[in-house]
Amino acid sequence: EAGVTQSPTHLIKTRGQQATLRCSPISGHTSVYWYQQALGLGLQFLLWYDEGEERNRGNFPPRFSGRQFPNYSSELNVNALELEDSALYLCASSLAGGEQFFGPGTRLTVL
Amino acid sequence: DAKTTQPPSMDCAEGRAANLPCNHSTISGNEYVYWYRQIHSQGPQYIIHGLKNNETNEMASLIITEDRKSSTLILPHATLRDTAVYYCIVSSTDSWGKFQFGAGTQVVVTP
Repeated sequence: EAGVTQSPTHLIKTRGQQATLRCSPISGHTSVYWYQQALGLGLQFLLWYDEGEERNRGNFPPRFSGRQFPNYSSELNVNALELEDSALYLCASSLAGGEQFFGPGTRLTVL
Repeated sequence: DAKTTQPPSMDCAEGRAANLPCNHSTISGNEYVYWYRQIHSQGPQYIIHGLKNNETNEMASLIITEDRKSSTLILPHATLRDTAVYYCIVSSTDSWGKFQFGAGTQVVVTP
């Protein structure tokens, strides 16, 4: 069974640009979660999507947004990039409310 | 969500059992205990979870005290590949998708 996949693996942007990160959940999972892990810091919850709807978001500004598509894949968009947005962005999927299975992450570098 | 307390680091000899403690004294009755591990810059890997009974799978065993205020993750025969940061998380289906990752325990397995 294929796990959670994320693309791209690495992404380099400059300040002020927009970044789009993609996630494909495990087949059958309807929930997708996004986390940010800045260098040396813990995982911070960003967003939770389930059945195409945003169910919860963490303490991040509105320029962090996303969506979930009918096939349950998801996109995370970060607008007006700032240097401190440089981090590993992790996507996880689950059956509703269950254990979360993580992808390998996208390393975003903002120059 | 209840918060967890874990030791910041521990060493373990290869081939020996590694016992990782976690305190979650404010856990609610509907909250599960989850364990994940993260090998450097990779996505967290699900290990095991439980509600109140002890659990075992091919990776580890989870021992939860009767009052549920603490738990221990046991890696029965540690290998060098078990070197990672181990996270203990408590969460319920009412947690709105949010897993609160703390600092975890850095486990180093030595030859």
